[in-house]
Amino acid sequence: NAGVTQTPKFQVLKTGQSMTLQCAQDMNHEYMSWYRQDPGMGLRLIHYSVGAGITDQGEVPNGYNVSRSTTEDFPLRLLSAAPSQTSVYFCASSREGVGDTQYFGPGTRLTVL
Amino acid sequence: DAKTTQPNSMESNEEEPVHLPCNHSTISGTDYIHWYRQLPSQGPEYVIHGLTSNVNNRMASLAIAEDRKSSTLILHRATLRDAAVYYCIPLEGNNNDMRFGAGTRLTVKP
Repeated sequence: NAGVTQTPKFQVLKTGQSMTLQCAQDMNHEYMSWYRQDPGMGLRLIHYSVGAGITDQGEVPNGYNVSRSTTEDFPLRLLSAAPSQTSVYFCASSREGVGDTQYFGPGTRLTVL
Repeated sequence: DAKTTQPNSMESNEEEPVHLPCNHSTISGTDYIHWYRQLPSQGPEYVIHGLTSNVNNRMASLAIAEDRKSSTLILHRATLRDAAVYYCIPLEGNNNDMRFGAGTRLTVKP
């Protein structure tokens, strides 16, 4: 199993550009989520999904969209990047919910100029 | 959500035990206490979790106070690889919103 994979590892955007951060898992997990981590801080939940076709907002959803068309994939879209979105983004998955062991991806480091 | 208080940082010597405390005085009766850690430049990884009684696994032990207002993560013999930020996270059973705080940065000295 590859576990949770994220692409790209690094990305630089200009203000106003859009992009999609990819997240995939091969463990047949129902629950997937996206977090952001700003320097020196803990992780903050952006969006999560409890299964294909179901998504919900976390603590800091503004500026981000998600969809879950398959169990395996949970992409995060930035529609119009802003410097405040410069951060490291982590995707995670777990068997059924956040109370199960969560497996995190290696992260995507995003810089918005 | 229960509020947690953890020391900003702690130091330990290699091969000595480490006790990482967490106060969660507003925890509800159904909140499990989860611990994750984040090694440098990596995503967090699960360490252990429990509800009321003490828990052990191959990585660590979790000691939960009888009133559940605090808990302690115990690393029995710290190694250099255990240097990480440790997060204590109370989580209600049917809640899908896991909130990470600032955690405790553990430094292990050789």
